[in-house]
Amino acid sequence: EPEVTQTPSHQVTQMGQEVILRCVPISNHLYFYWYRQILGQKVEFLVSFYNNEISEKSEIFDDQFSVERPDGSNFTLKIRSTKLEDSAMYFCASSVSQYNSPLHFGNGTRLTVT
Amino acid sequence: DQQVKQNSPSLSVQEGRISILNCDYTNSMFDYFLWYKKYPAEGPTFLISISSIKDKNEDGRFTVFLNKSAKHLSLHIVPSQPGDSAVYFCAASKRAGSGGSNYKLTFGKGTLLTVNP
Repeated sequence: EPEVTQTPSHQVTQMGQEVILRCVPISNHLYFYWYRQILGQKVEFLVSFYNNEISEKSEIFDDQFSVERPDGSNFTLKIRSTKLEDSAMYFCASSVSQYNSPLHFGNGTRLTVT
Repeated sequence: DQQVKQNSPSLSVQEGRISILNCDYTNSMFDYFLWYKKYPAEGPTFLISISSIKDKNEDGRFTVFLNKSAKHLSLHIVPSQPGDSAVYFCAASKRAGSGGSNYKLTFGKGTLLTVNP
């Protein structure tokens, strides 16, 4: 069964450094997303992306965050200057359409900011 | 943000019996509901969904029931198997045009299901 793949599985970085989290969505999916889960808290929406532009973003997704689809397969999340509170599991997801279409998630990248 | 609530942090059932996981929501604009299962070190795996025009959806051992008047949904797993042991998340979204979109899911905190052999 096709799946969403994410790399790396674990990223450790120092505060203030830039990180790029990578994702390969399912190939026939058109909508892409990033969610995150801080330890002990709910999974929360960050951003959605369609047709090479952001469709919607949450209040968490400030100017330090950006997303890009640099080629036909990868979808990346960049955090420009990481903060301690950015430590979380970051999940990439994709879906076929935007209505009544389940999101399929990758296994996540655990980001640890020290 | 308590728009989607899973009030039972854990549930333990015997293999072969029914597991019933519950979820309540407060936002009446939600019109699409999903259940996800999550194993440690993996991402959420989609299980089953239901739109607000239905009150029941069934897929194999999994059935989701939606009670719109009570703003409540439940997931039934029959029969439960040890491999079903995982954290189960309820999620909801509201249609674009009502202040939301189907891809901006609001998740509950999850219920840890343990199925004992």
